[in-house]
Amino acid sequence: NAGVTQTPKFQVLKTGQSMTLQCAQDMNHEYMSWYRQDPGMGLRLIHYSVGAGITDQGEVPNGYNVSRSTTEDFPLRLLSAAPSQTSVYFCASSYTRTYGYTFGSGTRLTVV
Amino acid sequence: GESVGLHLPTLSVQEGDNSIINCAYSNSASDYFIWYKQESGKGPQFIIDIRSNMDKRQGQRVTVLLNKTVKHLSLQIAATQPGDSAVYFCAENQAGTALIFGKGTTLSVSS
Repeated sequence: NAGVTQTPKFQVLKTGQSMTLQCAQDMNHEYMSWYRQDPGMGLRLIHYSVGAGITDQGEVPNGYNVSRSTTEDFPLRLLSAAPSQTSVYFCASSYTRTYGYTFGSGTRLTVV
Repeated sequence: GESVGLHLPTLSVQEGDNSIINCAYSNSASDYFIWYKQESGKGPQFIIDIRSNMDKRQGQRVTVLLNKTVKHLSLQIAATQPGDSAVYFCAENQAGTALIFGKGTTLSVSS
């Protein structure tokens, strides 16, 4: 039981490049979310999903796309990276809405 | 603005003291609340949760209190230890969305 696995752990991108941050969970959780954490700030919700085939926007969705084709995976795509997207990204999953969310260890992204 | 926030950005206590970390929320539709602990370089770690039909919930050395009248949440840590040093976040949830976080309180425990 690996929990929530995020890859890569570190990434450096050039402005304008695209990439996908991977998130996978093996707990059969329906709920999955992506957050970004900037220095001195809390976690801000980017996108979330309440089940396979269902996604919705969070507080800061611009510049990011998601899809949920399987229960296990919830990738986050940066379409055209900008320096403002330099951050630490966390993925989380939960069995239900009112059940403790489990977080991955994060991806530290730098856009130069 | 944020729907969840914390009263103090930092809190310093002595080892063995009891710590109280506060959080105010503004969305009366929120019905589920969680406290997380985050150590440097790591993801948030679940501490304790509480539903809106409860006022108090206890765990091991931790207690969460919910006051829906004034929209206030607190985390009490008994006999604080150096290993409790971390950033603590409260988060809220309501139907139709995911967890929303506040900015966090940094707890420093000196021995």
